[in-house]
Amino acid sequence: AQSVAQPEDQVNVAEGNPLTVKCTYSVSGNPYLFWYVQYPNRGLQFLLKYITGDNLVKGSYGFEAEFNKSQTSFHLKKPSALVSDSALYFCAVRDPSNDYKLSFGAGTTVTVRA
Amino acid sequence: GAGVSQSPRYKVAKRGQDVALRCDPISGHVSLFWYQQALGQGPEFLTYFQNEAQLDKSGLPSDRFFAERPEGSVSTLKIQRTQQEDSAVYLCASSLGTWTGAGNTEAFFGQGTRLTVV
Repeated sequence: AQSVAQPEDQVNVAEGNPLTVKCTYSVSGNPYLFWYVQYPNRGLQFLLKYITGDNLVKGSYGFEAEFNKSQTSFHLKKPSALVSDSALYFCAVRDPSNDYKLSFGAGTTVTVRA
Repeated sequence: GAGVSQSPRYKVAKRGQDVALRCDPISGHVSLFWYQQALGQGPEFLTYFQNEAQLDKSGLPSDRFFAERPEGSVSTLKIQRTQQEDSAVYLCASSLGTWTGAGNTEAFFGQGTRLTVV
């Protein structure tokens, strides 16, 4: 069975500083990995995905994520955080053999202070 | 419409009441999913439709939960005899393609319906 762990419930950074949100995964085959963001009273918004190819994936709003197979990690990064990045971030994994089911982590609340 | 639309946005139900939650997926999207998000948790898979066919309902927590998509577009999630543990946000998502292992189709989520059972 596939699973995702987000080891930090909360991440706090100052505006302009780098932001990292950690994610590790467990899946039997090669994973398909996703990051979603959830703003208050809004649905999940897709940020980026890793399917194959380059380990560094670039997505929306200046976010990027690095796939590390040996460490089974897919950490989300942004070089310079904005106050507007404050939200709840979810990492998710799909096992290609399981096709359609997304398994989500518990989420990490990011707070960027001015 | 431009995105996945869910209604109502909020629903308060008395314990034992039946509820129906609606999802309008993005036009032309073949795949439709329902997820349940409890407070402080990530979304949990409930069920999956490919067009009108419900291919997987393994995540439905009990036989009180029922989902349908009769014409392959709008979907309804029905919960009978609601219980307090049903309180959660119910998310609907759709994606353009079918899940054939290609894996490169992301799901687009609606804003969710927050169900509170009192």
